[in-house]
Amino acid sequence: GAVVSQHPSWVICKSGTSVKIECRSLDFQATTMFWYRQFPKQSLMLMATSNEGSKATYEQGVEKDKFLINHASLTLSTLTVTSAHPEDSSFYICSASWATYEQYFGPGTRLTVT
Amino acid sequence: AQKITQTQPGMFVQEKEAVTLDCTYDTSDPSYGLFWYKQPSSGEMIFLIYQGSYDQQNATEGRYSLNFQKARKSANLVISASQLGDSAMYFCAMREGGETSGSRLTFGEGTQLTVNP
Repeated sequence: GAVVSQHPSWVICKSGTSVKIECRSLDFQATTMFWYRQFPKQSLMLMATSNEGSKATYEQGVEKDKFLINHASLTLSTLTVTSAHPEDSSFYICSASWATYEQYFGPGTRLTVT
Repeated sequence: AQKITQTQPGMFVQEKEAVTLDCTYDTSDPSYGLFWYKQPSSGEMIFLIYQGSYDQQNATEGRYSLNFQKARKSANLVISASQLGDSAMYFCAMREGGETSGSRLTFGEGTQLTVNP
């Protein structure tokens, strides 16, 4: 089956620093990747949709200058949280899609900002 | 407006019994799809079952079946013969529009299922 990895699986950073999360499709080429954020005991909220080689489309209310998304290749998308604050602490999940509606989810990255 | 509604924040079931998790949706798009995912405490999203709006038969995958009632806009998940390992959060999700790779998913609030021995 299609496998999506995320790195790191968890990260702790200090307030004001930036952190990069990678999402890779390991055995397929992803034309579209999605980034979600999930707070404890809440649902997944779509942050942005990215297509290879083009700018990401952000959902309403998501700061594009704070959450930088780069989809440089068909197998890699990165999410950079810039100038992180404690309220950015969350579980970030990516998913990847190719050809059809199916989305394959990564295992998630738990970000803690101290 | 809420597009996906899961009205059961928590459900309990005895091991080996069946359980139904409710999901209702709202869309004006004639082409859509409904998904169920399982999220254990580890956080990974595990795909369980999919139902397309034009599918005539209810989807089934092993112990999972989807009770699709199009006129009522409901897509309930039925888990038969519950196992302790089924304890997890369950999310209903919907994609709207054609079956293309750019289809966004909207998730419900989730139902926490606990299977008791």
